[in-house]
Amino acid sequence: GPKVLQIPSHQIIDMGQMVTLNCDPVSNHLYFYWYKQILGQQMEFLVNFYNGKVMEKSKLFKDQFSVERPDGSYFTLKIQPTALEDSAVYFCASSPDWSSYEQYFGPGTRLTVL
Amino acid sequence: AQSVTQPDARVTVSEGASLQLRCKYSYSGTPYLFWYVQYPRQGLQLLLKYYSGDPVVQGVNGFEAEFIKSNSSFHLRKASVHWSDSAVYFCAVSGSFSNTNKVVFGTGTRLQVLP
Repeated sequence: GPKVLQIPSHQIIDMGQMVTLNCDPVSNHLYFYWYKQILGQQMEFLVNFYNGKVMEKSKLFKDQFSVERPDGSYFTLKIQPTALEDSAVYFCASSPDWSSYEQYFGPGTRLTVL
Repeated sequence: AQSVTQPDARVTVSEGASLQLRCKYSYSGTPYLFWYVQYPRQGLQLLLKYYSGDPVVQGVNGFEAEFIKSNSSFHLRKASVHWSDSAVYFCAVSGSFSNTNKVVFGTGTRLQVLP
């Protein structure tokens, strides 16, 4: 079936540094999402993105977070600067249109902030 | 607020036994319900989904789930498990919560199938 790819699979950085997580969504999908999963906890919605704009963001989407998809390339989540509490697995998802409640998820990027 | 409860963090069964993983949701509108499975170091894979119609939905690999509106439940079942079913299973709900179609997940149930 359709696959969402995420690069890298694991990233280790020092607190205060910038990190960019990359997502390659399903090719004809229009809506993109990021979710955050802290170890042992449930996945929680961060943000969704459509037509170059953030549609909705949760309280977990701090001011240090930003998303973009320049020129149809990767859909990225940037954290600048990172904090210890940003350590988690970040999942990207995409869906084809507004009426689709099903989202296709990537394998996740495990971010470790030291 | 919308929420999903999976009361069992871990379930252990023997190969060939039947399985039920419990899920209850809270949402006042029309829910769209999903079960996902996550194998180690892999992404979420959709097992099955319920939008409307027959409350018993069939999924991949012999899984099925039943939507019981009166109980706000969407339990996952399998008649005979295989060792390869060992994974983490997430129940989720989506709907027109706001102006976006975000998915709300449960905390997951880790299934271990003993040979």
